[in-house]
Amino acid sequence: EAGVAQSPRYKIIEKRQSVAFWCNPISGHATLYWYQQILGQGPKLLIQFQNNGVVDDSQLPKDRFSAERLKGVDSTLKIQPAKLEDSAVYLCASSLERSSWQNYGYTFGSGTRLTVV
Amino acid sequence: QKEVEQNSGPLSVPEGAIASLNCTYSDRGSQSFFWYRQYSGKSPELIMFIYSNGDKEDGRFTAQLNKASQYVSLLIRDSQPSDSATYLCAVDSSNTGKLIFGQGTTLQVKP
Repeated sequence: EAGVAQSPRYKIIEKRQSVAFWCNPISGHATLYWYQQILGQGPKLLIQFQNNGVVDDSQLPKDRFSAERLKGVDSTLKIQPAKLEDSAVYLCASSLERSSWQNYGYTFGSGTRLTVV
Repeated sequence: QKEVEQNSGPLSVPEGAIASLNCTYSDRGSQSFFWYRQYSGKSPELIMFIYSNGDKEDGRFTAQLNKASQYVSLLIRDSQPSDSATYLCAVDSSNTGKLIFGQGTTLQVKP
């Protein structure tokens, strides 16, 4: 079974520039999550999708962050404009339908390390 | 009060010893609890999950849950240098499917 795919692996941008991250979840996984992990901290949930609908985006800084999941499969997370404090690893995770997720938890992708200079 | 709290460490144990990692959580409605291992520069990897009070064993790992005390722990027996990593405790927030993570405890196993 292929894992969660993310790209790019690394990205360095200047502040006020824009950046986009891509995620392809495990086939058949209806739920997709984007997490932000700042160095030395645990992952923090940004947004949760169920199929192509948003379940929870309460922690997403909507003035600069946006995310979409077209057709209920791939997802893109965008930051525009980026700030220095956005430097972090952006992790995508997926899981089965919520009724059965408890047996599996999340599977994380390898993440995108963003450095804003 | 943080939703999920862990001692950041580092916790240092000699090879072959038992490592004990602890986690407390604030949401009494939480039903599912997870331990992830994260090596430096890598993404978190699920190693254990537990739903019921008591102990759950998987190889060298034992997860312990006490819902009354809102406490979860992970024991690693016969610790190996390859166990050196950050261990993240995660709690299902009010059974919504969203995992809330602690800041992680760094474990160092010394040969």
